[in-house]
Amino acid sequence: EIVMTQSPATLSVSPGERATLSCRASQSVSSNLAWYQQKPGQPPRVLIYGASTRATDIPARFSGSGSGTEFTLTISSLQSEDFAVYYCQQYKNWPLLTFGGGTKVEIK
Amino acid sequence: QVHLVESGGGVVQPGRSLRLSCAASGFTFSHYAMHWVRQAPGKGLEWVAGVSFDGSKKSFADSVRGRFTISRDNSKNTLFLQMNTLRGDDTALYYCARGQQWLDFWGQGALVTVSS
Repeated sequence: EIVMTQSPATLSVSPGERATLSCRASQSVSSNLAWYQQKPGQPPRVLIYGASTRATDIPARFSGSGSGTEFTLTISSLQSEDFAVYYCQQYKNWPLLTFGGGTKVEIK
Repeated sequence: QVHLVESGGGVVQPGRSLRLSCAASGFTFSHYAMHWVRQAPGKGLEWVAGVSFDGSKKSFADSVRGRFTISRDNSKNTLFLQMNTLRGDDTALYYCARGQQWLDFWGQGALVTVSS
């Protein structure tokens, strides 16, 4: 089983600042990685797939990078609506998927 | 417009069974793999099970393998999750989600509470 580890668990950021979230895989997943955003009371929404491709209607301030075992989600200038929990998910072993534990981005 | 609507959740005693359904609309259901993902109260996302577009390939998380079964009826655009021998740690909001690899559409979830 591929284990996904996200850090930090909580990230405190001021509006307008940059946020950098990390995700590490226990073995290489190549570029088979997606990022999701989840707000309270809502299902997750895909932001990034293929490690760096923005999903439909996702603003350009969200960007993904990395391959193999190390990945990063960057939010270039945090807006009020970006405060949420973010999850990474590998799909190299599709249909067996695994999620990271999540990073909560909160207002500083 | 893609819609996924889960149903069948509720309160069930430990050791009993429950069957969740997910009604899909707005896309060609038989062309897509489907998954169940759960979220325990206040916790993160846990992938539960997935099924290929035609139902021929299925996969399960270790935590549910042997107790849960995933199936689909492409003639009725419906996904199922049969949950047997339920335990307290199965208590969660269960989402169905569409996705060949990443999950691009999600339902609102069905709440399953396992309690005596």
